[in-house]
Amino acid sequence: GQQLNQSPQSMFIQEGEDVSMNCTSSSIFNTWLWYKQDPGEGPVLLIALYKAGELTSNGRLTAQFGITRKDSFLNISASIPSDVGIYFCAGQKAGANSKLTFGKGITLSVRP
Amino acid sequence: NAGVTQTPKFRVLKTGQSMTLLCAQDMNHEYMYWYRQDPGMGLRLIHYSVGEGTTAKGEVPDGYNVSRLKKQNFLLGLESAAPSQTSVYFCASSYIDGSNQPQHFGDGTRLSIL
Repeated sequence: GQQLNQSPQSMFIQEGEDVSMNCTSSSIFNTWLWYKQDPGEGPVLLIALYKAGELTSNGRLTAQFGITRKDSFLNISASIPSDVGIYFCAGQKAGANSKLTFGKGITLSVRP
Repeated sequence: NAGVTQTPKFRVLKTGQSMTLLCAQDMNHEYMYWYRQDPGMGLRLIHYSVGEGTTAKGEVPDGYNVSRLKKQNFLLGLESAAPSQTSVYFCASSYIDGSNQPQHFGDGTRLSIL
């Protein structure tokens, strides 16, 4: 099936650093979503992107919908310990019954 | 404001046993979904429902059945549990299944099959 590629599987950063995560696909998507999953909990929506080129911020998080519609990135600025978790990208194609396709996630660790 | 609630949160089963996982949402969402999450695999769609009384297969439906008798509830059943079904199961819901309607997730059910 179609896949979204997220790499690396794990990232380790120092508190206060910025970090950027990419999500790429060989297919075009109409919607890009970024979710965060804390340990023992379900994914929580961080940012939703609906237009190619769109740049959206949510506090210290910024995400962009790639111009080609085949990629998206998420940037976290001035990281803090509570940013630890798994970050998933998800894409959705056009169409009434189009399902979300999820990346495998990136596990972020923040060293104090 | 409960959102999406999953019960139970944890369960251990023996191979061959059956059980039902319950998902309840209080947001009047039309669409509901069951995913499983395995290490390094991300989230994979098992079954979904586009409204009360309807169900459809997702990416990995084998070994599972679902029912949506009430709009707010979506049940996932394992008739004869197998060790390969050890996983974390997430339920999600959304108003409609299209752009501009992100899915909201429950906190998961951790299921171990011995």
